Amino acid sequence: EVQLVESGGGLVQPGGSLRLSCAASGFTFSSYSMNWVRQAPGKGLEWVSYISSSSTTIFYADSVEGRFTISRDNAKNSLYLQINSLRAEDTAVYFCVREPTFTSAFDIWGQGTMVTVSS
Amino acid sequence: DIVMTQTPLSLSVTPGQPASISCKSSQSLLHSDGKTYLYWYLQKPGQSPQLLIYEVSNRLSGVPDRFSGSGSGTDFTLKISRVEAEDVGVYYCMQSIQLPRTFGQGTKVEIK
Repeated sequence: EVQLVESGGGLVQPGGSLRLSCAASGFTFSSYSMNWVRQAPGKGLEWVSYISSSSTTIFYADSVEGRFTISRDNAKNSLYLQINSLRAEDTAVYFCVREPTFTSAFDIWGQGTMVTVSS
Repeated sequence: DIVMTQTPLSLSVTPGQPASISCKSSQSLLHSDGKTYLYWYLQKPGQSPQLLIYEVSNRLSGVPDRFSGSGSGTDFTLKISRVEAEDVGVYYCMQSIQLPRTFGQGTKVEIK
């Protein structure tokens, strides 16, 4: 079964840091580009970051540029998001998302991990 | 950034009746490669979003044929020919012709 499982979320104070992880299984992880998408409580979807299959191409939303770092370890079938200098507006469920090879969309989503930024 | 505007924001539908959601983009989503980078997702209550339709009108494998997508340029529509109870949730359109990828605000579909 194709699956993405996120972990690492939690409650953190403003200015703090977290490292989110996403474990992939059921497909050849190294062949796919990956993304992080977030959803603030009761709100819509916001794309956060993209990484190509070999990590050669990386993009960020302006709202997180300079504070978030996406990375992957293809040997471990894992995707990561290092999030620093957290702000209240970063409070959201963070989804790990696969990008299929045939189109620029998000075809497989994890269940999400909640990040809450509060003092 | 490309702004995606969905209407209506909520929809109450009798089972078996059709439903239609509009999505308009602030710029054309037609790429020079001939593809139009418009997608539709459904987020069922308590679940992660799922991809329904890619590049305007292509249903993902396993998506019922009561779902159809149409449109071009900046105007797009998702239609459900006969709404079923399992179709409730929030529908989002998304563009990926340009970074950042942007989503519509979402259309909440409920059953009467």
